[in-house]
Amino acid sequence: DADVTQTPRNRITKTGKRIMLECSQTKGHDRMYWYRQDPGLGLRLIYYSFDVKDINKGEISDGYSVSRQAQAKFSLSLESAIPNQTALYFCATSEVTGHEQYFGPGTRLTVT
Amino acid sequence: GQQLNQSPQSMFIQEGEDVSMNCTSSSIFNTWLWYKQDPGEGPVLLIALYKAGELTSNGRLTAQFGTTRKDSFLNISASIPSDVGIYFCAGSDQGGSEKLVFGKGTKLTVNP
Repeated sequence: DADVTQTPRNRITKTGKRIMLECSQTKGHDRMYWYRQDPGLGLRLIYYSFDVKDINKGEISDGYSVSRQAQAKFSLSLESAIPNQTALYFCATSEVTGHEQYFGPGTRLTVT
Repeated sequence: GQQLNQSPQSMFIQEGEDVSMNCTSSSIFNTWLWYKQDPGEGPVLLIALYKAGELTSNGRLTAQFGTTRKDSFLNISASIPSDVGIYFCAGSDQGGSEKLVFGKGTKLTVNP
């Protein structure tokens, strides 16, 4: 089984709808991250969490919120989706003392 | 924010050829990571580097942490069709935030 899983893998939604993307990990890592990937722009950090009680904004947090329900679960929400939030979204994890990040398979989100 | 310059943006090579790509930063990094992303999948960690001058191999892949700590290089020897994908560099600076900065990727195409 995959160490980092994301659901759903694909989602099409309409402008104004609320949507939640979920991430679960079995690696036992404390740190979890949400990234957005757009063609030609690479990976950009949306939010990150160093433990259940610690949530931090990344470089592009506007329009997004997160919830760290447990060490293993980190969810990303779009409160009112807009078309320019159409992108690939990745969850990642890392150990407390390491810098290596391990990515999930991604969610392809389309907002129409 | 920090940026990594990754080059080249794309490469078209023949099967069996060697490949070189590199990443440079404007500041000193403590960690350099190299990832590969296949279409529709999340980035997969290939090599992690933690010391200036470090040279690390993973099969046909070899990566080096530049001695200035502002650059890193990835070489692929004797390329094969399954090497096709996008290769990303990522780095973490001295600040200890453990946030990664990503390059925009090198898209590799291997012609059989």
